[in-house]
Amino acid sequence: EAGVVQSPRYKIIEKKQPVAFWCNPISGHNTLYWYRQNLGQGPELLIRYENEEAVDDSQLPKDRFSAERLKGVDSTLKIQPAELGDSAVYLCASSLSVSSTDTQYFGPGTRLTVL
Amino acid sequence: AQSVTQLGSHVSVSEGALVLLRCNYSSSVPPYLFWYVQYPNQGLQLLLKYTSAATLVKGINGFEAEFKKSETSFHLTKPSAHMSDAAEYFCAVSDLAGNQFYFGTGTSLTVIP
Repeated sequence: EAGVVQSPRYKIIEKKQPVAFWCNPISGHNTLYWYRQNLGQGPELLIRYENEEAVDDSQLPKDRFSAERLKGVDSTLKIQPAELGDSAVYLCASSLSVSSTDTQYFGPGTRLTVL
Repeated sequence: AQSVTQLGSHVSVSEGALVLLRCNYSSSVPPYLFWYVQYPNQGLQLLLKYTSAATLVKGINGFEAEFKKSETSFHLTKPSAHMSDAAEYFCAVSDLAGNQFYFGTGTSLTVIP
């Protein structure tokens, strides 16, 4: 069974440019998470989806970040425009449901470098 | 609000020695607790989780952790370290409803041959 797929794995852009990350969760997983992991830190939740509905986006910087999960399957996270401080690894995870006991399965992440 | 504190950002052990990675949580109600491992350039993988059943939880790769309410701790241990255990380890906490999920800052484990 395929795990969580993310692309691209690496992205280098100049500041003020837009960037998008794609995530395909494990088949059958209703809940999808986007995290940001800064160097030397633990992941921080940006947004959580239950099917196509964003149920927690309180930590998403809405002035420049947006996300969508139109059909309740794959998801895209966008930054426009990117700033130097956005350099980080962006992780996608999925779980069967939003239950706190369900295991979250993580993708390999997208490492973003903003120059 | 939930939070976890991982004491020691870097831990070094000799191969074959005991591994002890510390995690303390802050919560007014005993939460659910998790340990994840992250190998270089890979995503996080669940090692084990505590969900209010047995306080001693056994996970993959020989790791285990014990939930101690009196100490608000959930330390991760392994009796004998292998070279392959070198990685970043994260403790995480969730409230019972699943509305909040927070990771600690991580502990980098080095295994010395």
